[in-house]
Amino acid sequence: KAGVTQTPRYLIKTRGQQVTLSCSPISGHRSVSWYQQTPGQGLQFLFEYFSETQRNKGNFPGRFSGRQFSNSRSEMNVSTLELGDSALYLCASSLAVAPGGYDTQYFGPGTRLTVL
Amino acid sequence: DAKTTQPPSMDCAEGRAANLPCNHSTISGNEYVYWYRQIHSQGPQYIIHGLKNNETNEMASLIITEDRKSSTLILPHATLRDTAVYYCIVRPPAGTALIFGKGTTLSVSS
Repeated sequence: KAGVTQTPRYLIKTRGQQVTLSCSPISGHRSVSWYQQTPGQGLQFLFEYFSETQRNKGNFPGRFSGRQFSNSRSEMNVSTLELGDSALYLCASSLAVAPGGYDTQYFGPGTRLTVL
Repeated sequence: DAKTTQPPSMDCAEGRAANLPCNHSTISGNEYVYWYRQIHSQGPQYIIHGLKNNETNEMASLIITEDRKSSTLILPHATLRDTAVYYCIVRPPAGTALIFGKGTTLSVSS
């Protein structure tokens, strides 16, 4: 079974631009979570989507948004990019079969975003 | 904040067992202990998880103390490819985020 895929793998943008990152979960997985990793703050949770609905959200400004499609694929968007948005953006998927159940999250390789 | 405490770094000789400790003294009864590792600039890789009993899979063993306040991840025969940052995470109920701490940087040398 194929793992979590993320595109693109590398991206360079300039301040003020916007960017869209894509994540395809493992087949059959219904939940997709996004994380940001920077040297200073480490791995931080952005948001989680389940059945096309945002189910959980981390402490990030509104410039960070996401969505999930009916096939569980997810995108995240960052508008008005700032230098501090340079990071590795990670997507993780899980089965999310039963509410209240424990689902292991499996991570993709990440998208390395550089803002100049 | 992360609910776990791990040593910042550890060294291990290739072929020897690597024992990575984790303290989680405030763990709740319904919270699992998860371990992930991250090799430089790659996505975190799931290793193992457990609730009360010791667990073993093809990658590692997880030993959880009876009071559940600490655990140890054991890599039975460490190789150079096991050099990575290892994260111990106490997992809240499903639907919530993984909270990563700083982890333990394991360096395996020949």
